[in-house]
Amino acid sequence: GNSVTQMEGPVTLSEEAFLTINCTYTATGYPSLFWYVQYPGEGLQLLLKATKADDKGSNKGFEATYRKETTSFHLEKGSVQVSDSAVYFCALYNAGGTSYGKLTFGQGTILTVHP
Amino acid sequence: SAVISQKPSRDICQRGTSLTIQCQVDSQVTMMFWYRQQPGQSLTLIATANQGSEATYESGFVIDKFPISRPNLTFSTLTVSNMSPEDSSIYLCSGRMGWTSTDTQYFGPGTRLTVL
Repeated sequence: GNSVTQMEGPVTLSEEAFLTINCTYTATGYPSLFWYVQYPGEGLQLLLKATKADDKGSNKGFEATYRKETTSFHLEKGSVQVSDSAVYFCALYNAGGTSYGKLTFGQGTILTVHP
Repeated sequence: SAVISQKPSRDICQRGTSLTIQCQVDSQVTMMFWYRQQPGQSLTLIATANQGSEATYESGFVIDKFPISRPNLTFSTLTVSNMSPEDSSIYLCSGRMGWTSTDTQYFGPGTRLTVL
């Protein structure tokens, strides 16, 4: 079946530090990969996505590259801000098999950025 | 894109009672889902809400506990029945436009439920 594994948190950084949140996946076929962000007290928002191997998703200074050879989709940002403090979820969508139509989420990584 | 709203945004309920959560999407979506997010946890899919027919439940979730309706392409309700403190969670409604892997899935802001 499908699964997503994220690096354990919480992650605490100072403002302007470099961010990496690791995400690896297990899936058959050719899934699409997503990063969602959940700010305090809010629902999930799509941050970025990549639908095929070697695609790079980017948004708001965040980037992630779909690496099929390492089954990874690590989230990076060159300089984080206090406003980036949130929970980040890596997710996978596989249109085939028994997971048809369903997103599979990682466990989430809490990011706290201090001034 | 789609904007999803939920009502209520939060509620505090007594053990043994039931709460119905409403989900409204501002455009027609092909698929609608209900998720549960327990404190500090990831999202767990409860069921897929099917228009005009019974919802499809995931393992561990049953219709008697979580009845779901979806009368049209933009609206769904989830009822949490005979509540216990273990049902305290955030309940999230979600929708996606299509079935392909390129379609985006959108989420509502969630309903924060506390059961005393």
